[in-house]
Amino acid sequence: SQQGEEDPQALSIQEGENATMNCSYKTSINNLQWYRQNSGRGLVHLILIRSNEREKHSGRLRVTLDTSKKSSSLLITASRAADTASYFCVGSNFGNEKLTFGTGTRLTIIP
Amino acid sequence: ETGVTQTPRHLVMGMTNKKSLKCEQHLGHNAMYWYKQSAKKPLELMFVYSLEERVENNSVPSRFSPECPNSSHLFLHLHTLQPEDSALYLCASSQEYALEQYFGPGTRLTVT
Repeated sequence: SQQGEEDPQALSIQEGENATMNCSYKTSINNLQWYRQNSGRGLVHLILIRSNEREKHSGRLRVTLDTSKKSSSLLITASRAADTASYFCVGSNFGNEKLTFGTGTRLTIIP
Repeated sequence: ETGVTQTPRHLVMGMTNKKSLKCEQHLGHNAMYWYKQSAKKPLELMFVYSLEERVENNSVPSRFSPECPNSSHLFLHLHTLQPEDSALYLCASSQEYALEQYFGPGTRLTVT
């Protein structure tokens, strides 16, 4: 299974601060994906990082991947109230590995 | 709007009813997925179709029956459900299996 395990389970920060959440996985992957889920927009794909990449940026998002430690981190800079959501990571292997979401990190941005 | 639509958005059914959930994607993707999301539990992958062939069936009870008649449509046929089947059912699609998935808004199912 490629279940991502997110850490921490919950995080509350002030608006404008940066938020960092982590993900660990157990077996080798070809890519790792981060998703966000909130009540307004449902489950949305944020970013995909391939196993041969160490860092990737998309707007205020920065994702790192350390395949030697089987871990990834998602950094959200200059947080906004709209970033309040649950964040999930999913590792995938282009084979027959099952895609499994973890329980996510619940991020709350305090205005 | 992600290009993946699901109908109905809400469904209440009795345990003896038969109903179907519908998912349609307008993205030209080749893989489609059904997930179940229950309160306080991780998202559970139920079925995956790639190029209209089922590639994953994660020990889902037979009272859930998927159908993928073409690459744009995915159905989940429901019959003799149990109250614990009440959940949000999400459909997703991706260009290829295991790439980034685009999710629909979900169907909120309540079994009475």
